[in-house]
Amino acid sequence: QKEVEQNSGPLSVPEGAIASLNCTYSDRGSQSFFWYRQYSGKSPELIMFIYSNGDKEDGRFTAQLNKASQYVSLLIRDSQPSDSATYLCAVPDSWGKFQFGAGTQVVVTP
Amino acid sequence: GAVVSQHPSWVICKSGTSVKIECRSLDFQATTMFWYRQFPKQSLMLMATSNEGSKATYEQGVEKDKFLINHASLTLSTLTVTSAHPEDSSFYICSAREATGRETQYFGPGTRLLVL
Repeated sequence: QKEVEQNSGPLSVPEGAIASLNCTYSDRGSQSFFWYRQYSGKSPELIMFIYSNGDKEDGRFTAQLNKASQYVSLLIRDSQPSDSATYLCAVPDSWGKFQFGAGTQVVVTP
Repeated sequence: GAVVSQHPSWVICKSGTSVKIECRSLDFQATTMFWYRQFPKQSLMLMATSNEGSKATYEQGVEKDKFLINHASLTLSTLTVTSAHPEDSSFYICSAREATGRETQYFGPGTRLLVL
């Protein structure tokens, strides 16, 4: 079983709608969780991180963490065509190395 | 803040030659840098973890004698692909983690290597 799981998509979202991305992880001891965005042909860029249960908002992005259920999600409000990318969920292991999900491809349609 | 650069961004070389890729943290000190490789439409694959002043730790299946890593300062790590072959053609990406101990990794823009 992969340690970090994401639906690969593609997730098709109308422009202006909310995109909801989910990520589950297997290590119950994980403490921190990261979301990255990767455009085709580019390297990942950090969107946000979350450590505590609950919601964390940054602009149009909201990360939600539920440690009891071992999932972390990312909401993108008012989706724009420029949000079309692959979104990577990353969870550090005990050595600090990132365990990545396969990534969810988001396609925002005008 | 938290900017990581890589040089070169593109390199084309002949089979059998060696290629050096630099990764620099521009506005922070990085005790740990990571080197990844990504093939088209595939996930990032961690190659090695580089700690300043010590030997790199390589992932299983990555040849340490082929992919030489040096992390000589808190702002610079280098990856040298020795005796490159066409199958080494890939997108090489480094990331850097701050010396503060936080786990956030900041990624460089990547280096595309094409071996002819």
